[in-house]
Amino acid sequence: GESVGLHLPTLSVQEGDNSIINCAYSNSASDYFIWYKQESGKGPQFIIDIRSNMDKRQGQRVTVLLNKTVKHLSLQIAATQPGDSAVYFCAERAGFQKLVFGTGTRLLVSP
Amino acid sequence: DVKVTQSSRYLVKRTGEKVFLECVQDMDHENMFWYRQDPGLGLRLIYFSYDVKMKEKGDIPEGYSVSREKKERFSLILESASTNQTSMYLCASREGTKDTIYFGEGSWLTVV
Repeated sequence: GESVGLHLPTLSVQEGDNSIINCAYSNSASDYFIWYKQESGKGPQFIIDIRSNMDKRQGQRVTVLLNKTVKHLSLQIAATQPGDSAVYFCAERAGFQKLVFGTGTRLLVSP
Repeated sequence: DVKVTQSSRYLVKRTGEKVFLECVQDMDHENMFWYRQDPGLGLRLIYFSYDVKMKEKGDIPEGYSVSREKKERFSLILESASTNQTSMYLCASREGTKDTIYFGEGSWLTVV
């Protein structure tokens, strides 16, 4: 079958640039959001999360922005490095034990 | 660091075989999950467990069962494997009072 990469939107950036990955969520009642990074052949790795009572949260080189008005979530990666190349996907918590995952965006970082 | 370990990374099984996928977490988490990941479909929840011997169906439980006899271990069972169960299977765990779910490295299952 086709690889997952052929179905994913791709963001290509140069090393050192800032990257912005976007995610639209569906449920206005979702109260918690999370970003994962998944490298080829590996499981998803937690990056950063945010609750619905916040608009912005910062981590190390990453920032998540939440716009509840338009149900939009973004992940900003500062000074992108080749090691940041991976698939990034968001998830929203839409109920008890119910995380709904997006299909992801592939980030390609060239030297 | 949270450690979720899936002992089998790559398996090839024949149609009709019984398949066991094992998952162990070392952080005493109450909640454990099994997802499958397919191209274009994202992660879909098969089953979850919020305590020993407790289990709940997720979105796609058909063709699967689970077992949680000990808190640290959550097993996914395919009673009679079929080719449409070829996929990547991800185990995850979460502490009861926290939000973050942590994933294992995944088990690639091919059913021929």
